[in-house]
Amino acid sequence: NAGVMQNPRHLVRRRGQEARLRCSPMKGHSHVYWYRQLPEEGLKFMVYLQKENIIDESGMPKERFSAEFPKEGPSILRIQQVVRGDSAAYFCASSPSRQLYTIYFGEGSWLTVV
Amino acid sequence: SQQGEEDPQALSIQEGENATMNCSYKTSINNLQWYRQNSGRGLVHLILIRSNEREKHSGRLRVTLDTSKKSSSLLITASRAADTASYFCATRTDEYGNKLVFGAGTILRVKS
Repeated sequence: NAGVMQNPRHLVRRRGQEARLRCSPMKGHSHVYWYRQLPEEGLKFMVYLQKENIIDESGMPKERFSAEFPKEGPSILRIQQVVRGDSAAYFCASSPSRQLYTIYFGEGSWLTVV
Repeated sequence: SQQGEEDPQALSIQEGENATMNCSYKTSINNLQWYRQNSGRGLVHLILIRSNEREKHSGRLRVTLDTSKKSSSLLITASRAADTASYFCATRTDEYGNKLVFGAGTILRVKS
């Protein structure tokens, strides 16, 4: 049973470009969470999605950031017009249900904006 | 504001010694979890303790929870070089809460 798969693991973008980060949850998991980790900080919640629904996006910046989890395919975190401050590690996690206490993290996608 | 705050920020010990990390939080919680993160890697879930529990063990790990003081501690006994990592506490405010709120972490270095 493969774990949470994220790609790319490392991404370099120039200021103003777009970054797309993908997350395939564990098999059987229909709940996906995105977190961001700035250097030497803990993880900060961004968004919680179920298939085709955004449940909680209270941690998402108001502009340039969007997330989706389509019926088919991976969840996508999209950052438009990236700025240097977007440089961070972006982690996806999944769970089979909302009630489950434990969520399982992927290895992260490290975004560097130059 | 951040829910969990770990201390110390960094801890350096010799192999075989015990390591204790503390976490404080601000609001009522349903459960508290500890995670480990090796450099450049994802988070690995270590242990979960519910708000009605006071102590929990898992292998060389011992977690305590004091809800009156809003604090938790993680003890790693007989540490090994492979325990070198960052350790984070994360809180969940209710059974249906979908956000884990993480502290800034403790960097543990175990010297062999």
